[in-house]
Amino acid sequence: NAGVTQTPKFQVLKTGQSMTLQCAQDMNHEYMSWYRQDPGMGLRLIHYSVGAGITDQGEVPNGYNVSRSTTEDFPLRLLSAAPSQTSVYFCASSLSNTYGYTFGSGTRLTVV
Amino acid sequence: GIQVEQSPPDLILQEGANSTLRCNFSDSVNNLQWFHQNPWGQLINLFYIPSGTKQNGRLSATTVATERYSLLYISSSQTTDSGVYFCAVSGAGSYQLTFGKGTKLSVIP
Repeated sequence: NAGVTQTPKFQVLKTGQSMTLQCAQDMNHEYMSWYRQDPGMGLRLIHYSVGAGITDQGEVPNGYNVSRSTTEDFPLRLLSAAPSQTSVYFCASSLSNTYGYTFGSGTRLTVV
Repeated sequence: GIQVEQSPPDLILQEGANSTLRCNFSDSVNNLQWFHQNPWGQLINLFYIPSGTKQNGRLSATTVATERYSLLYISSSQTTDSGVYFCAVSGAGSYQLTFGKGTKLSVIP
């Protein structure tokens, strides 16, 4: 099992550009989520999905879109990057909300 | 939403010492997890422990759900234990895992 795989590991964007952060898991987990981590703020939930075709917003969803067409993949789209979106992004998956979570290795995004 | 407070925010230990990290939460939970973020940024799940006690080697955790706190014990600390320890919780029926701000542990030789 590869677990949770995130790509890319690093990315630099210019303000206004769009991009997609990829997340894939091979554990047949129904639940997947995206977090951002900023210094002194801990991790904050952006969007989550409880299964293919089902997504919902977390604490900080503005500026991000998600979709879940398959159980394995949960991409995060930045529509028009802003410097405030400079952060480290983590994808996580779990069997459900009453199990432990497995995190990917993160994507460090810088918006200039 | 649920509030999560971790203490202490920073902890420096001599190698071989023991430590206790605390997590207080403001409401009943159905999910409580402890994570270790190593110096390279990787988040490792240590325990899923909404109630009761678990042990894994030198690490153990106890959650007293009725009193809304959890404790993570690290015994005989090693330099590889350095990093940030996060507590994260979610309430009944919720999929929103809320993280505390973490305890930064530094273990010195």
